[in-house]
Amino acid sequence: DIQMTQSPSSLSASVGDRVTITCRASQSISSYLNWYQQKPGKAPNLLIYATSNLQSGVPSRFSGSGSGTDFTLTISSLLPEDFATYYCQQSYTPPQTFGQGTKLEIK
Amino acid sequence: EVQLVESGGGLVQPGGSLRLSCVASGFTFTSYWMAWVRQAPGKGLEWVANIKEDGSEKYHVDSVKGRFTISRDNAKNSLYLQMNSLRAEDTAVYFCARDQLWYQLFPSLDYWGQGTLVTVSS
Repeated sequence: DIQMTQSPSSLSASVGDRVTITCRASQSISSYLNWYQQKPGKAPNLLIYATSNLQSGVPSRFSGSGSGTDFTLTISSLLPEDFATYYCQQSYTPPQTFGQGTKLEIK
Repeated sequence: EVQLVESGGGLVQPGGSLRLSCVASGFTFTSYWMAWVRQAPGKGLEWVANIKEDGSEKYHVDSVKGRFTISRDNAKNSLYLQMNSLRAEDTAVYFCARDQLWYQLFPSLDYWGQGTLVTVSS
């Protein structure tokens, strides 16, 4: 199975900050990388698919980049509603594994 | 409006069985792969299984192979997860999700249900 490793596991930041979360795959997954946001007690919400494509309705302050094994999710200027847990997921081959999550907290 | 509504969760003893259901509406069910994803209490997301539009292909994570089976009934717009030989470590919220395929190549889970809680305990 492909292992997905996110860093950091947790992050404290302030409203207005620029934040970057990294996801590394244990082998090349081309551009088959998705990002989700999850708030407590809610289902995950798709933010970015195929590395860099913004899902409909997702604000443009979210962006994704990378290829092969290394990927990043960037939030350009944090808003209060962005404090949540973020997961990457590879969809290159089943099982479509998730990273362990990055909890973004208010500083 | 796309809706996915899970049901069938509950408390079950170790070794027992449960069948989860997910009823889909608001889209053409037969045009999408579908998936199950679970989340143990306080833990991250774990992809469990997915199934092709016509049910001809299905994949399961190793930890559930031989115990869980994903299936679908396109006439009923329904997705299922049959769970047998349940273990304490299967305790989780189980989400069903729609698998969108960008350019028919790049899967991602674009709509999710609210989840149903499965608790395996004696």
